[in-house]
Amino acid sequence: EVQLVESGGGLVQPGGSLRLSCAASGFTFSSYWMSWVRQAPGKGLEWVANIKQDGSEKYYVDSVKGRFTISRDNAKNSLYLQMNSLRAEDTAVYYCARVVGGGSLRYWGQGTLVTVSS
Amino acid sequence: DIQMTQSPSSLSASVGDRVTITCQASQDISNYLNWYQQKPGKAPKLLIYDASNLETGVPSRFSGSGSGTDFTFTISSLQPEDIATYYCQQYDNLWWTFGQGTKVEIK
Repeated sequence: EVQLVESGGGLVQPGGSLRLSCAASGFTFSSYWMSWVRQAPGKGLEWVANIKQDGSEKYYVDSVKGRFTISRDNAKNSLYLQMNSLRAEDTAVYYCARVVGGGSLRYWGQGTLVTVSS
Repeated sequence: DIQMTQSPSSLSASVGDRVTITCQASQDISNYLNWYQQKPGKAPKLLIYDASNLETGVPSRFSGSGSGTDFTFTISSLQPEDIATYYCQQYDNLWWTFGQGTKVEIK
């Protein structure tokens, strides 16, 4: 059974940093693109970042470029999102998801809440 | 960036009604479009991929169509368990975007 479990969310002050993790199991992690998607409270879904199987390609939504870094450790079956210079508008539930086909998000974690507030 | 315009933002329909949601892309995205269902407090669920392919295990009352810039998502006979917010998502390139969502309620 495919499982994705996010962790690392919490309350952080504006300008602070946080590192999210996503532990994957039930599939060959190194064979799949992975993504982060977020959802601000009461708002819609926003794609955040993608990373290729070997980590050689990374793509970001403009609003996080230069502040967030997506990475992975295939030996640990783990996906990460390093978030720096956090802003109030980064407050959201962050989901990790496994990509299938060209860009379908078939498996999702339960999400982890990040709150940026003083 | 490719913008996705989804409409309506909300709708209310009776059980058994046919429900239609549209999504328009700001440029040609071929059939690189998915539809998701999200219930409150839950992660999204993939329903339709590549514009018209039904995900395994998803009831056949859900369907999708379209290509290029105009896409349609249909629930042929609305059921109480279909109450949720539905999103389209394009993946024409590696910078993805979602539609704004459509909240479906029972009248």
